[in-house]
Order: sequence, then C-alpha cells, then structure tokens
Amino acid sequence: NAGVTQTPKFQVLKTGQSMTLQCAQDMNHEYMSWYRQDPGMGLRLIHYSVGAGITDQGEVPNGYNVSRSTTEDFPLRLLSAAPSQTSVYFCASSYSILGRSNEKLFFGSGTQLSVL
Amino acid sequence: TQLLEQSPQFLSIQEGENLTVYCNSSSVFSSLQWYRQEPGEGPVLLVTVVTGGEVKKLKRLTFQFGDARKDSSLHITAAQPGDTGLYLCAGDGGSQGNLIFGKGTKLSVKP
Repeated sequence: NAGVTQTPKFQVLKTGQSMTLQCAQDMNHEYMSWYRQDPGMGLRLIHYSVGAGITDQGEVPNGYNVSRSTTEDFPLRLLSAAPSQTSVYFCASSYSILGRSNEKLFFGSGTQLSVL
Repeated sequence: TQLLEQSPQFLSIQEGENLTVYCNSSSVFSSLQWYRQEPGEGPVLLVTVVTGGEVKKLKRLTFQFGDARKDSSLHITAAQPGDTGLYLCAGDGGSQGNLIFGKGTKLSVKP
C-alpha cells in the first residue's frame, strides 16, 4: 500500500516563482489536508478538504491555493513564493471527518521547501 | 482559540531511564491523539484517548487522559534509542473537527 504520496521531496525556489506540491492517497479517504511544520511552531493547518469539490481554509492559508477535483489528489499551489514560506509541508488524509469519529491522520513523508 | 501546550520542549536522557511528557490545555477535548515523528518522515499515530481518566498502554509507553479531558501525559519506561523522535499531541479542536497540534517534545535517548 502506497498510502499518502507527496512529491517532490525537496524543492528550492526563488522569490516570486510559483509551484505545485503534489499529494495523492490511495485509501479512498474523504478528508485531506495540508500542514506546514516550522521549528518551534509545530504543525499548522493550511487548507483542508472534506471531499471532492470541497475545500476550506485552515489556520495559515495566505499565499496558498488548493483544489480537490478527485478523491485521490489534493495539490497545494504557491502562486508567488516568499521566503516566509520556507518550511516542511505535510499532506495528510483520513477516512472521515476528524472529530466525529476519532479517525487518525495518515501523513505523507513531507516536502522540504526553501525559498531564496 | 484552543491551544495545546507540550512540555518539556526538549529531553535528552540515557538508555534505560524513565520519562514523562505532558500535553496541557485550558480547553476540553473530546479526544486527544499522540503521534511520533522521526527525522525526514511524517508523524505516525501512536494512540487515541477518548474517555476522561483513560489509561492506555502500548508496550513500554503509557498514555493517560486527564479526568477533565484537558490534559494528557505520555510515560516511557526504560527508554531505548529507538524511542528517539518528536512526540506530538493533537486534539480535535479546530473547525470541521480539524486536529490542532502541540509544538512537540523532542526526545533523544542516548545509548
């Protein structure tokens, strides 16, 4: 089982460049989310989706866009990268909406992004 | 805004020692989860606690949920180098039931 697959593993961007972080899961999970992890800040929610065609903002959504055209894929787009977006990004999924069933999150292995 | 405070932030111990890490909040959670994260990987769920006062054991790891469901602890007995990692607590406190995470406890167990 592949689980949650994130690509790329590492990426270096220049300020102002755009890129898309890919996330795919093969577990037929309804819920998918993107977190960023910064030293001393823990994991912070960027955007999430409770099903295909439905997305919503998390705690730190500015500078990021998402879409959910299929159940499997949940890409994260940086429209104009800034040094403040240097971080490790994690995609996570769950079978159902968290908080209603104590479902666990399955995480990808992360994308380390540096913006120069 | 619901917050989860973890302590200590860093812990470096020798193999065989016991340790406890804490996860505290002023808010009530319907459940709390503990994850372990190894370098270069995503967090992996260790346990979910859902009932106030609940105690769960996972080999040498003991998890407790406070009676008021505002805090939790993780106790490791006879720590081993393989226990090294970042331990994160998480609660269902966000909108739509999203998980919110503590900042983590970074544990290093030296041989």
